[in-house]
Amino acid sequence: DSGVTQTPKHLITATGQRVTLRCSPRSGDLSVYWYQQSLDQGLQFLIQYYNGEERAKGNILERFSAQQFPDLHSELNLSSLELGDSALYFCASSVEGGLHTDTQYFGPGTRLTVL
Amino acid sequence: AQSVTQLDSHVSVSEGTPVLLRCNYSSSYSPSLFWYVQHPNKGLQLLLKYTSAATLVKGINGFEAEFKKSETSFHLTKPSAHMSDAAEYFCVVRSPGGYNKLIFGAGTRLAVHP
Repeated sequence: DSGVTQTPKHLITATGQRVTLRCSPRSGDLSVYWYQQSLDQGLQFLIQYYNGEERAKGNILERFSAQQFPDLHSELNLSSLELGDSALYFCASSVEGGLHTDTQYFGPGTRLTVL
Repeated sequence: AQSVTQLDSHVSVSEGTPVLLRCNYSSSYSPSLFWYVQHPNKGLQLLLKYTSAATLVKGINGFEAEFKKSETSFHLTKPSAHMSDAAEYFCVVRSPGGYNKLIFGAGTRLAVHP
C-alpha cells in the first residue's frame, strides 16, 4: 500500500458525459501527478500540481482539467468523453516535485470505461 | 529529448532461473532512471532508482539494475525468479526541467513458469 488513494476504482459511463476522478496523496506530500495508461499510448504523464498550483503539463487534452485543493487532494475532470478516453488513470504523489528527484508513489488507479 | 526503450515486450522464464529485462535510454545528460512493477489489477510500485550515485542499484525483492553510460543501458536483473515476480515492468526516465515528470517505456511483461 503506497498511501495514495484514488476513488472510484471503476467508472463506467457513456460518450459525451463528464466524470471526476479523485486522488488523495500520501501524508506530507505536496506534489500530485496524473498519468493515463491505455493500450495504444502506454503510460503517459498528464499534469502535475504542487501545493495547489499547476507545475507541469504533459499530453493532456483540452477536454481534461485538474486541480489541487488546499487539503492537497486532487481531482481530474474529464468531459465530453469519447470511446478513446477509456483507460486506467493513475495518480502519484511525491514530497517535492521540484528540482530534486524525489520518488513518486502511485495509487491503485481508476479504470474508466466509456461506452 | 529523454526516452527509454524496453527491448523486449515479453520475457518468459522458469522459476528459479535468472531474469534479465533490458532497457536502453536516451538522454543529453546524466539521467535519473527507475524501474517500476505493475502486478495485475494493481498500481505501480517502485523497484529501484538510479540518481547518479552507485552504478549498481539494489532494489526490493532481490532485483538490481546496473547503469552503464557507455552502453546507455539500465537493465534489470534478478538471480532467481519466483512465481510472484510475474508482472509488467516499466523502465522510466525522469524528464529534465526540474519538474519530476516521468517518461515510461512501453513495458515488459514477465511470465514465470513452474
